[in-house]
Amino acid sequence: DVKVTQSSRYLVKRTGEKVFLECVQDMDHENMFWYRQDPGLGLRLIYFSYDVKMKEKGDIPEGYSVSREKKERFSLILESASTNQTSMYLCASIGTGSAYEQYFGPGTRLTVT
Amino acid sequence: GNSVTQMEGPVTLSEEAFLTINCTYTATGYPSLFWYVQYPGEGLQLLLKATKADDKGSNKGFEATYRKETTSFHLEKGSVQVSDSAVYFCALSERSSGNTPLVFGKGTRLSVIA
Repeated sequence: DVKVTQSSRYLVKRTGEKVFLECVQDMDHENMFWYRQDPGLGLRLIYFSYDVKMKEKGDIPEGYSVSREKKERFSLILESASTNQTSMYLCASIGTGSAYEQYFGPGTRLTVT
Repeated sequence: GNSVTQMEGPVTLSEEAFLTINCTYTATGYPSLFWYVQYPGEGLQLLLKATKADDKGSNKGFEATYRKETTSFHLEKGSVQVSDSAVYFCALSERSSGNTPLVFGKGTRLSVIA
């Protein structure tokens, strides 16, 4: 069964903390994505990666960085968490030349206090 | 740039009612179009897709037709069930391979009452 997993379903962090959100896929997909989901705003792309050690900025990269050291793992890093980064974070992956479906993880609901 | 506009929610329907959720898009070239569904507490799942003009995507009784002339991809279902209660997202991908990041609409929350 196809699977994208995220390290935590719920996370509470303090302002200024460094936060790591991990995403792992078991489908040998080349492409991985991080989105954030906010009510009334839908999903917005933060960063994506087409290959190991490769990254591209999305629409809202400010305050975030990413790491892709292995093909199956794509990490989102909040260098210094702020309250406006309280959100639902969704990871997705898709294979190159695949049948179009991006597979999503269950999401991590992050609260920054 | 590319964008997707879908009808504001929430939408509340009685069981067996007809559902339409409107979606229009702006894109250069020939995007692929998608409807994703998010059930409570879960991630997004692909509901249906269409990759070229006049294609009809269908799944679980839902349908949507890719209309290039009206740049639309409206989601329809003839008879909704309580289990269809979820948030529905219209999305596009600007390359036919679908590998590029998706551009999403803001989502429409559907509540179906018995």
